[in-house]
Amino acid sequence: DQQVKQNSPSLSVQEGRISILNCDYTNSMFDYFLWYKKYPAEGPTFLISISSIKDKNEDGRFTVFLNKSAKHLSLHIVPSQPGDSAVYFCAARIGDDKIIFGKGTRLHILP
Amino acid sequence: KAGVTQTPRYLIKTRGQQVTLSCSPISGHRSVSWYQQTPGQGLQFLFEYFSETQRNKGNFPGRFSGRQFSNSRSEMNVSTLELGDSALYLCASSLATGAGNSPLHFGNGTRLTVT
Repeated sequence: DQQVKQNSPSLSVQEGRISILNCDYTNSMFDYFLWYKKYPAEGPTFLISISSIKDKNEDGRFTVFLNKSAKHLSLHIVPSQPGDSAVYFCAARIGDDKIIFGKGTRLHILP
Repeated sequence: KAGVTQTPRYLIKTRGQQVTLSCSPISGHRSVSWYQQTPGQGLQFLFEYFSETQRNKGNFPGRFSGRQFSNSRSEMNVSTLELGDSALYLCASSLATGAGNSPLHFGNGTRLTVT
């Protein structure tokens, strides 16, 4: 069963506009959520995280929103830049248990 | 500070053979995790080691095994290779156990092709 779901395999956004990547989860016990970014031929790199006791965390152009009642989180990138074109993975964990990743969303930033 | 190093970068093996992949974590990191990435399946957790002990294990058959050495370097082994084992194998290290305030740092992976 897939506990972390990224239902959009790909997303295209105009440069300068807002990119919104979505993620749903099924396990209400998750207490930490993370976003990773991956370029081809490279390993994923950590982007931003949020604890389940918060509903928003911001780091520069990146903001993660958590809606616990809907079991939904989203990553907002504003403004979108060409270098943001990559695959984005949503991930979640309970305590120090294994980190569970979604299948990823490929973001294309259009010129 | 050097990042996570995985060797080799590419590997081609035949069905039935076995393979060993290596991972050197960031200096000072004691936790090493392994993930398998296949098209359409995202990153699937294999196992995690901390101070030479396996702490967590994913849902993979016993053909997949790993170990961690006293210097935190880790190896994973896949025996009796199957075509479906073709994937990108990623190693990640973290200071502690990869909790929220200690995120995973990934290597660039080993691309395994089984023919």
